[in-house]
Amino acid sequence: DAGITQSPRYKITETGRQVTLMCHQTWSHSYMFWYRQDLGHGLRLIYYSAAADITDKGEVPDGYVVSRSKTENFPLTLESATRSQTSVYFCASRTSYYEQYFGPGTRLTVT
Amino acid sequence: SQQGEEDPQALSIQEGENATMNCSYKTSINNLQWYRQNSGRGLVHLILIRSNEREKHSGRLRVTLDTSKKSSSLLITASRAADTASYFCATDGNSGGSNYKLTFGKGTLLTVNP
Repeated sequence: DAGITQSPRYKITETGRQVTLMCHQTWSHSYMFWYRQDLGHGLRLIYYSAAADITDKGEVPDGYVVSRSKTENFPLTLESATRSQTSVYFCASRTSYYEQYFGPGTRLTVT
Repeated sequence: SQQGEEDPQALSIQEGENATMNCSYKTSINNLQWYRQNSGRGLVHLILIRSNEREKHSGRLRVTLDTSKKSSSLLITASRAADTASYFCATDGNSGGSNYKLTFGKGTLLTVNP
């Protein structure tokens, strides 16, 4: 299917565990982004990538790691999950015309 | 830090009425975008207005931009129950070539009652 997909859609994990959220896009967009959405904070940028093997920090990168070995994939890893990382995570990719296309989101609960 | 701030935080109207949401931002921009988010879903791009544009239309949507006041408004005309969603403005940075990153406001929750 064309578009941008995220997996898993829902995840419950324990404090201290490593978790990887997957993001896959079929458009070959160069730019990809990871956001978290929390009540009272709106969407905040965690990491972004301008191309394969090029990544950079956003507004709230602490506790997260990203990689981008292929243009279409942009996984986000929580190295040691904390309760404060309970959130809804959105992946997005960007067209040449600046608009971003968002995935359906992953709802992560850290217990 | 939030670049764009929407106002009001929540808006409840009847079907057929118009809905107006406002966005204020702090720094210079290249463009401003509006997105919609239905409950439990990802954001969907609605419209983009460039810094040298003052007004833009797309179907029932009308967006205005006043760069001197650093503000934008989104008007949805003849609203429908299906317009019920959160609406976000997003701005890019106009310094250091960072116009590929967007900063989102906290959104306006629009409820359209049938």
